[in-house]
Amino acid sequence: QKEVEQNSGPLSVPEGAIASLNCTYSDRGSQSFFWYRQYSGKSPELIMFIYSNGDKEDGRFTAQLNKASQYVSLLIRDSQPSDSATYLCAVNTNKLVFGAGTILRVKS
Amino acid sequence: GAGVSQSPSNKVTEKGKDVELRCDPISGHTALYWYRQSLGQGLEFLIYFQGNSAPDKSGLPSDRFSAERTGGSVSTLTIQRTQQEDSAVYLCASSLDAHGYTFGSGTRLTVV
Repeated sequence: QKEVEQNSGPLSVPEGAIASLNCTYSDRGSQSFFWYRQYSGKSPELIMFIYSNGDKEDGRFTAQLNKASQYVSLLIRDSQPSDSATYLCAVNTNKLVFGAGTILRVKS
Repeated sequence: GAGVSQSPSNKVTEKGKDVELRCDPISGHTALYWYRQSLGQGLEFLIYFQGNSAPDKSGLPSDRFSAERTGGSVSTLTIQRTQQEDSAVYLCASSLDAHGYTFGSGTRLTVV
């Protein structure tokens, strides 16, 4: 079992819809969780981090954490074509481990 | 500088040669990571430096790979006797605390 798992996608959503990206992790001791966005040929850039169970909202983005079920999700409201990218989930136990990423395509 | 700086941005080397990749983290950041990303793949953890602690080298794929961090700042990743499978983008990231890591623009290594 991989430490951090994501559906590779691609996930296709129409412009204006909600995109839902999911991630599961194996280490129950994980303390902090991150979502990064990576455009093709570019480096990952941090979108959000979350430490506590529940929801954390930042603009059009909402991160959700459920430690009991060991999953983290990212919701993108009012999806735009510019949101098309690979979204990487990262989990910090004693080091930062990344999932393989989910490709998101927003169609106009 | 304002961001994480990596050099060179591109490196083409012949199989069997040694290469050195440099990372200059954000000033004051105590944590530094090296990752490798092959085309279309996720980020593969290589090595992690945290302050003055012994580095976590558990991700280094072979003894041809080594890294050091001098004075708690600049880090160098060295690959000896490069092989074609070493071709990838090597990414460095740094952080002051656990609130997320800032990545450099990477070094694209091509072994021919």
